[in-house]
Order: sequence, then structure tokens, then C-alpha cells
Amino acid sequence: DTEVTQTPKHLVMGMTNKKSLKCEQHMGHRAMYWYKQKAKKPPELMFVYSYEKLSINESVPSRFSPECPNSSLLNLHLHALQPEDSALYLCASSQEGGYNEQFFGPGTRLTVL
Amino acid sequence: GQSLEQPSEVTAVEGAIVQINCTYQTSGFYGLSWYQQHDGGAPTFLSYNALDGLEETGRFSSFLSRSDSYGYLLLQELQMKDSASYFCAVKDDKIIFGKGTRLHILP
Repeated sequence: DTEVTQTPKHLVMGMTNKKSLKCEQHMGHRAMYWYKQKAKKPPELMFVYSYEKLSINESVPSRFSPECPNSSLLNLHLHALQPEDSALYLCASSQEGGYNEQFFGPGTRLTVL
Repeated sequence: GQSLEQPSEVTAVEGAIVQINCTYQTSGFYGLSWYQQHDGGAPTFLSYNALDGLEETGRFSSFLSRSDSYGYLLLQELQMKDSASYFCAVKDDKIIFGKGTRLHILP
């Protein structure tokens, strides 16, 4: 299985809502990543988990809260988001935390109203 | 500051060869990666160069010159399905993506 799955595919939420994005991989990878991508822009790194521990937080606002329940799962909890947070949220994984070859999931298209 | 420069758009003809350049200025450097992303899709890993020289994988090749802070992606025998955005990315303490090159292929 060389796939990273993400749910949901699309999400629309209000600024007062709380929601979660989910990511799963079964490749035995020990590093997992969250990226944010705006239209026609490159992916921007948000968080990195290595061996289930948060190793990098790219100064992301606290309204985004990552969680890594186990080595296969990665969640991104959202609350009190702003319209400018609307974007494609991509999850990726790699064998180790070296970024060398990352496998990306299809992403969650988030719209904040 | 940290920066990666790549052309915003490149146009080529089906069956031809195209080269997408990437120059970088970063505080650290461990390697240069290339990713392909089709519209509406996720990035897909193409190649990674940590050492100088050319890496070949099928129709795609990637080159790195660390002394020149420069690399390129070479696509041969272009097919219509190669129409996509291509990102170079530098690995230092983390990963930084270039702004992407939109490749248009003409029949």
C-alpha cells in the first residue's frame, strides 16, 4: 500500500465551528507532515511529526492544532478559523523525517465562511 | 533570506525536450527535490539530488550543481499528460518549495 488517504475531501465550515482533518498511511513511514496550499502557490509546511512527536511547528496560529495518535494517523483540529484559512490542506509522509521522498495525500479542500 | 527561483511558465511541443531550471539561496542545503502537481491533484515526488551530477529516472532526469546553487529537471519525449506544475524544493533544516513552473505542452 503506497497511498496516503485524507478525509474529508471537501469541508465547508463557519468561523465558529470545530472540525478535524484526518490523514492515514500504512507504508510504515515514521514522519508525517501537514501542508497548506493556496491556489497557484507552492505548498507551505505547517507541522512535522517524526516518530509521533511534533518536531516542527512553522509558527502556525493556535487555531490549528495537530495530533498524531499513532504512527499511521495524523489529525489536524480546526477551530475559530478565518476566511483566509481557506485552502487545500495536504498531508504527506516519508520514511524518515528527512523530507527526501514525500508521499502526498489528495488533500482536503477547506472553505471557511 | 531563503529563496528558490524557477520560471513561472514554460511551453514546449509534444515529443520534444524541456528543461526547468531552479536556483536557490538558502541558509543550509542537504538536497534538491522535484515534484509534479496536476491541476486539482496532489504533488507527486519525481527525484532527489543530494550530490552533484545527473540522476535519470525514465523520461525524467534531474541535475544538481551545489557550487552554483543550481539544479534542473529535464523532461524528454514530452507527452500531453506531462502538462502540470513542477516544483523544486530544497531541504535544509526543513523543506522549502519554489513557486512552481507551469508546463504547457502543445500538440
